[in-house]
Amino acid sequence: AQRVTQPEKLLSVFKGAPVELKCNYSYSGSPELFWYVQYSRQRLQLLLRHISRESIKGFTADLNKGETSFHLKKPFAQEEDSAMYYCALSPHMNRDDKIIFGKGTRLHILP
Amino acid sequence: NAGVMQNPRHLVRRRGQEARLRCSPMKGHSHVYWYRQLPEEGLKFMVYLQKENIIDESGMPKERFSAEFPKEGPSILRIQQVVRGDSAAYFCASSPQTGVDTIYFGEGSWLTVV
Repeated sequence: AQRVTQPEKLLSVFKGAPVELKCNYSYSGSPELFWYVQYSRQRLQLLLRHISRESIKGFTADLNKGETSFHLKKPFAQEEDSAMYYCALSPHMNRDDKIIFGKGTRLHILP
Repeated sequence: NAGVMQNPRHLVRRRGQEARLRCSPMKGHSHVYWYRQLPEEGLKFMVYLQKENIIDESGMPKERFSAEFPKEGPSILRIQQVVRGDSAAYFCASSPQTGVDTIYFGEGSWLTVV
């Protein structure tokens, strides 16, 4: 079954400390993986996608097919990083399979 | 491209009334998703539609909730006989039909049932 698991509902990190938001997935094919961010009472915005292999706002995520993980990392947390983060899986070419979101992790940056 | 447009942004309904939330997808997008977000909770999938067709409604409550995406006009999420527990943010997202892509979200509609 297709599944995205974000094991942490809440993650509190001190400003300047490293951040790692965990995401594991279950999918039989070759999925596309994404991270979305939602700042307080705003829309979800695409943060990054694994095929781009880019760094956005200092965040990076590497797809590890062996561990079926796509953890989001940032070396030094900033207060403005406080937000809700969602990991998502797209079934790629099968358009009738919906995009699947994890339950989200709330990142709280402590001053 | 105006992006995904949702209206109303805020809606207040008394218990027992009907709520209608509208979503216009991005230009060129033929697929629409609806999600519900309860206060301090994560996103919960409700329904996935393409024009004139419901692809997946596994997240829709069995009663009072319905969704449509007609050939012309926006997608509509309809909640009949609202109760306090329906108070939430309802997000719509859209995606194009083909290709490797992602989905784009609207600003959300905040429903408050009093």
